[in-house]
Amino acid sequence: EAGVAQSPRYKIIEKRQSVAFWCNPISGHATLYWYQQILGQGPKLLIQFQNNGVVDDSQLPKDRFSAERLKGVDSTLKIQPAKLEDSAVYLCASSSLTSGSDTQYFGPGTRLTVL
Amino acid sequence: ILNVEQSPQSLHVQEGDSTNFTCSFPSSNFYALHWYRWETAKSPEALFVMTLNGDEKKKGRISATLNTKEGYSYLYIKGSQPEDSATYLCALPPETSGSRLTFGEGTQLTVNP
Repeated sequence: EAGVAQSPRYKIIEKRQSVAFWCNPISGHATLYWYQQILGQGPKLLIQFQNNGVVDDSQLPKDRFSAERLKGVDSTLKIQPAKLEDSAVYLCASSSLTSGSDTQYFGPGTRLTVL
Repeated sequence: ILNVEQSPQSLHVQEGDSTNFTCSFPSSNFYALHWYRWETAKSPEALFVMTLNGDEKKKGRISATLNTKEGYSYLYIKGSQPEDSATYLCALPPETSGSRLTFGEGTQLTVNP
């Protein structure tokens, strides 16, 4: 079974530029998550989708971050414009259910550096 | 906001040593606890999901215990190997409902040959 795919793996941009990340979850997983992991901290949820609807985006900085999951499969996360503090690893995860005891399967992440 | 604490922050051990680290969380309204292992440049790997007080889970040389009444979980590694070097994360879903995970800051383990 293929795991969660993410691209690109690494990205370096200048501040105020735009960037987009792509995620393809495990086939059949209805729930998709985007987490941000800043160096020295644990991952923090940015947004959660159930199929193509948003379940939780309370911690998404909506003035600069946006995400979509068209057709309930792939998802993209965009930052526009980027700030220095956005340097982090962006992790995508998926799960088959929305129970708190359901395992979330993670992709390898995109490491973003904002200069 | 759920407060999840992990200790120690980092740990250096010699190959063959056994080691353990702690995840602490609020003991009220517990639902589940997840342990992940995250090696550099790889995907975080799910180790265990624990739900019941007194739970003990094992996967090879790694095991975990759970005490929901006092709000902690221990992760043990027996006979550490260099390939065990990774960051070990624990995470909990909300106390009420939902599946978003709140992570601790992790314990970074380095096993020296």
